Amino acid sequence: DSGVTQTPKHLITATGQRVTLRCSPRSGDLSVYWYQQSLDQGLQFLIQYYNGEERAKGNILERFSAQQFPDLHSELNLSSLELGDSALYFCASSVDGFGQRNTEAFFGQGTRLTVV
Amino acid sequence: AQTVTQSQPEMSVQEAETVTLSCTYDTSESDYYLFWYKQPPSRQMILVIRQEAYKQQNATENRFSVNFQKAAKSFSLKISDSQLGDAAMYFCAYRTIYTGRRALTFGSGTRLQVQP
Repeated sequence: DSGVTQTPKHLITATGQRVTLRCSPRSGDLSVYWYQQSLDQGLQFLIQYYNGEERAKGNILERFSAQQFPDLHSELNLSSLELGDSALYFCASSVDGFGQRNTEAFFGQGTRLTVV
Repeated sequence: AQTVTQSQPEMSVQEAETVTLSCTYDTSESDYYLFWYKQPPSRQMILVIRQEAYKQQNATENRFSVNFQKAAKSFSLKISDSQLGDAAMYFCAYRTIYTGRRALTFGSGTRLQVQP
């Protein structure tokens, strides 16, 4: 158990709909990273939040957005869903303190999103 | 931007034998981290081994070891005494040391089959 909790584990929804994926980081971790893994491919970085603020953006579509709340949990919002958005969405957390060079990322078990 | 390349989509090894998975990367940075992650059918991302670029000594974790060739930008994973439980997707990943850009960059993965 990595200590990172993602809910729900599975989600099936129709095209055009909107869903919210939730991530609770490990206790003490300030950074949350979101990744997308399409079928049998590598993970693609979407976005990072650090202590409530957006810190870095990757290949995130405009239809997708995220936020991190004061209790440090994060939500990834996916709207106007398309068939191609079907994927495994991972959340990872790390301490990522300033000046700390060696901070390991711990992954949640992922949310499998199926768009039909 | 950094890139990570895994040129072997699939590999197969006999139980108890040794197998080497290849990874090359491209970066202009001199200090960074490299990782190998294992993703079994459960889809959980499991950290196998980590290498710090400024350390010349190759990392080792039990049956897992790496061959880190910094000048060649090569980072291969050797699995000794392969076990059935080693069957999984293996991803090579790169991470900068710099705060604010610490998202992992993943390769496309190598599927390892272990034959009994």
